[in-house]
Amino acid sequence: EIVLTQSPATLSLSPGEKATLSCRASQSVDNYLSWYQHKPGQAPRLLIYDASNRATGVPARFSGSGSGTDFTLTINSLEPEDFAVYYCQQRSDWPPITFGQGTRLEI
Amino acid sequence: QVQLVQSGAEVKKPGSSVKVSCKSSAGTFSTSAINWVRQAPGQGLEWMGGIIPIFHTPNYAQKFQDRVTITTDESTSTAYMELRSLRSEDTAIFYCARELGTHLDSWGQGTLVTVSS
Repeated sequence: EIVLTQSPATLSLSPGEKATLSCRASQSVDNYLSWYQHKPGQAPRLLIYDASNRATGVPARFSGSGSGTDFTLTINSLEPEDFAVYYCQQRSDWPPITFGQGTRLEI
Repeated sequence: QVQLVQSGAEVKKPGSSVKVSCKSSAGTFSTSAINWVRQAPGQGLEWMGGIIPIFHTPNYAQKFQDRVTITTDESTSTAYMELRSLRSEDTAIFYCARELGTHLDSWGQGTLVTVSS
């Protein structure tokens, strides 16, 4: 089973700042890595798929990069609505689908 | 994206079972995998299993292998997840999500299952 390790666990920033979230896989997942945003009381929302492709309707301030074992989600110029928990997910070695433990982005 | 509508919240006794439904608005229901993801209080997202309706063969996470059954009814475009032998640690929000190859692009609203005596 591929283990995804996200860092940091918590990231404290202010609106307008840039956020950099990391996801490291225990073995290569090629580029089959996705990112989700999750807010309390809501369903998770797909942001990025296949490492760097923005999902439909996702603002351009969200971008993804990386391949193999190291991936990054970057959020430029944070908006108040961006403060949430972010998860990475792999579907390279399946089953199982695995998620990282999440990064909490807080003000 | 498609709309996935899940059944309502449940309160169950320890040792009992729960069956959660997930109705899809997608015309491609039969050929797109439906996955089930759990989030326990204060915890992250955890994949439980998934199924491609047209193949009728589910895959389960090892952790849930002995207690979960995922099925589909193509006539109503509905997927089901049944979890048996419930214990208090199973209290969680359960989500269904459509898989598009490598990612989960559409999610249900979530179903809270509370296990309490």
